[in-house]
Amino acid sequence: AQTVTQSQPEMSVQEAETVTLSCTYDTSENNYYLFWYKQPPSRQMILVIRQEAYKQQNATENRFSVNFQKAAKSFSLKISDSQLGDTAMYFCAFSHWGLFGNEKLTFGTGTRLTIIP
Amino acid sequence: EAGVAQSPRYKIIEKRQSVAFWCNPISGHATLYWYQQILGQGPKLLIQFQNNGVVDDSQLPKDRFSAERLKGVDSTLKIQPAKLEDSAVYLCASSLVDGPPSDTGELFFGEGSRLTVL
Repeated sequence: AQTVTQSQPEMSVQEAETVTLSCTYDTSENNYYLFWYKQPPSRQMILVIRQEAYKQQNATENRFSVNFQKAAKSFSLKISDSQLGDTAMYFCAFSHWGLFGNEKLTFGTGTRLTIIP
Repeated sequence: EAGVAQSPRYKIIEKRQSVAFWCNPISGHATLYWYQQILGQGPKLLIQFQNNGVVDDSQLPKDRFSAERLKGVDSTLKIQPAKLEDSAVYLCASSLVDGPPSDTGELFFGEGSRLTVL
């Protein structure tokens, strides 16, 4: 079974600082995708960044970047120059084939990130 | 472009009552998902539709939960009878994926329907 583990239930950081959220996963597959989703308070979940497993280069999106270590099955998210609007729950997710030939996401339990003014 | 619409946003019911949630995905999105998000946990897939056919309902408690997607567009999720442990946020999501995984796999989520069962 595919599992995604986020070991940091809560984190907080001062505005403008850098923060790293951890995620590990377990799979026997070779081709898959990894995602970080952001869920602001009382708002919908949105995609922050994605990584294809076959790409060695780490994905970046403006202030957001990942450190993808395939052998270690680790996928951490780094937020640089953190802003108050980054306050949210962050979910790591793993995309894989389901039993019925469908693509499905398995989510971690989330990390609640608070940016302190 | 309009996002994924869900209603109601909040619902409070007594146990053993029934409830229905509605979802309108983004226009043109073939795949629709219902997720259950219990407080403190990540979303868990309940059912996945591709157009109007069920692709995966392996984690749907079929003795009490049902879902349909008529004409491959809107979808409803029903719980009857509700139990205390059904208290959760029910998230609807949609994606363009229709067949093998795209290189995005991105899901677009609605704001969710928060259910409280007393």
